Amino acid sequence: GENVEQHPSTLSVQEGDSAVIKCTYSDSASNYFPWYKQELGKRPQLIIDIRSNVGEKKDQRIAVTLNKTAKHFSLHITETQPEDSAVYFCAGTGNMLTFGGGTRLMVKP
Amino acid sequence: NAGVMQNPRHLVRRRGQEARLRCSPMKGHSHVYWYRQLPEEGLKFMVYLQKENIIDESGMPKERFSAEFPKEGPSILRIQQVVRGDSAAYFCASSPGGLEYGYTFGSGTRLTVV
Repeated sequence: GENVEQHPSTLSVQEGDSAVIKCTYSDSASNYFPWYKQELGKRPQLIIDIRSNVGEKKDQRIAVTLNKTAKHFSLHITETQPEDSAVYFCAGTGNMLTFGGGTRLMVKP
Repeated sequence: NAGVMQNPRHLVRRRGQEARLRCSPMKGHSHVYWYRQLPEEGLKFMVYLQKENIIDESGMPKERFSAEFPKEGPSILRIQQVVRGDSAAYFCASSPGGLEYGYTFGSGTRLTVV
């Protein structure tokens, strides 16, 4: 099955700085890579996704890049704000979504 | 659209009791997935169901755990003879079919075993 590794596990940045979270996956057949944000005590919510026929996708301050050859994809958040503080999960696809271990992002005001 | 509905939101059970967690997918969604999240940990896949069928239960413990998604009514995750280690948040997600549409998660059921 799919195996997804995510780094770093914690990330602390100053407000206004950029944050980058990286994931690698094992199944070359994976073709859909979503990112979820989970605030404390709440449900994971989809924030952006990318399909395998695209190398990069951007939505306002967040962007995702995909390198299928190297089997890795990354989440980029620019101009971070305190409300970006949360746990972020990447996922790869097999029969179902397989999630990375999560990154706790802390944005210091 | 009410979204994915899970109930109860919080459930307290004594060791040895049974826990029943319910999930109603979004309207038009026929695929249901259950995940478990231990405190401070990630989302671990348990089981994938379509109406009246278990598609993949590779993440579900062989003993004490079962899941169903009947023709009528919500999907049920059942845990028999609960132990303290079952304390976790259990999230249900649904999709219309095909992972390229992504999942929508419910608010979860937080199970505490005392």
